[in-house]
Amino acid sequence: GNSVTQMEGPVTLSEEAFLTINCTYTATGYPSLFWYVQYPGEGLQLLLKATKADDKGSNKGFEATYRKETTSFHLEKGSVQVSDSAVYFCALKPSGSARQLTFGSGTQLTVLP
Amino acid sequence: GAGVSQTPSNKVTEKGKYVELRCDPISGHTALYWYRQSLGQGPEFLIYFQGTGAADDSGLPNDRFFAVRPEGSVSTLKIQRTERGDSAVYLCASAGQGATDTQYFGPGTRLTVL
Repeated sequence: GNSVTQMEGPVTLSEEAFLTINCTYTATGYPSLFWYVQYPGEGLQLLLKATKADDKGSNKGFEATYRKETTSFHLEKGSVQVSDSAVYFCALKPSGSARQLTFGSGTQLTVLP
Repeated sequence: GAGVSQTPSNKVTEKGKYVELRCDPISGHTALYWYRQSLGQGPEFLIYFQGTGAADDSGLPNDRFFAVRPEGSVSTLKIQRTERGDSAVYLCASAGQGATDTQYFGPGTRLTVL
């Protein structure tokens, strides 16, 4: 079946540090890949997505590239801010008619001033 | 515009009781999803509606769980004979009818079964 494996947290960084959160997946065909973010006290929000191999999704300074050869979709940001503190979830939607998302277990990020 | 709303935000019940959780999707969204998120885990899919009908209910854990969407808008997730293991945050999401449409999530209902 489909699965998503995320880098375990929690991750603690100083402001302006470089961020990488690893995500790998198992799925047949060409799934769509997503990063969702959950800020404290808020619901899940889509951060970025990529729908085919070699696509790069980007938003708010975050980037992730869909790597079919390594089945990965690692999240990166060059300079994190305190306001980026949140839980980050990697997810996939399988190719074909299925619509449901399969999520990783989430990575808690804390950015210190 | 208004996002996905869910009521109640918190529900505490006793083992064996029946509960209903409500989801109001974004106006005009034809697709509606229910997920369950246990502490420290990512959301897990329960059921997906396209319009009034359940297009995929493969994630429902057993027959104590049931969901309806009678008019193609509001949905209710119903749990019978609740068990302590049902304690979780229940999330609802809605989307347009396209396969690639983004799912927009509500704030969730935290269910605690004592």
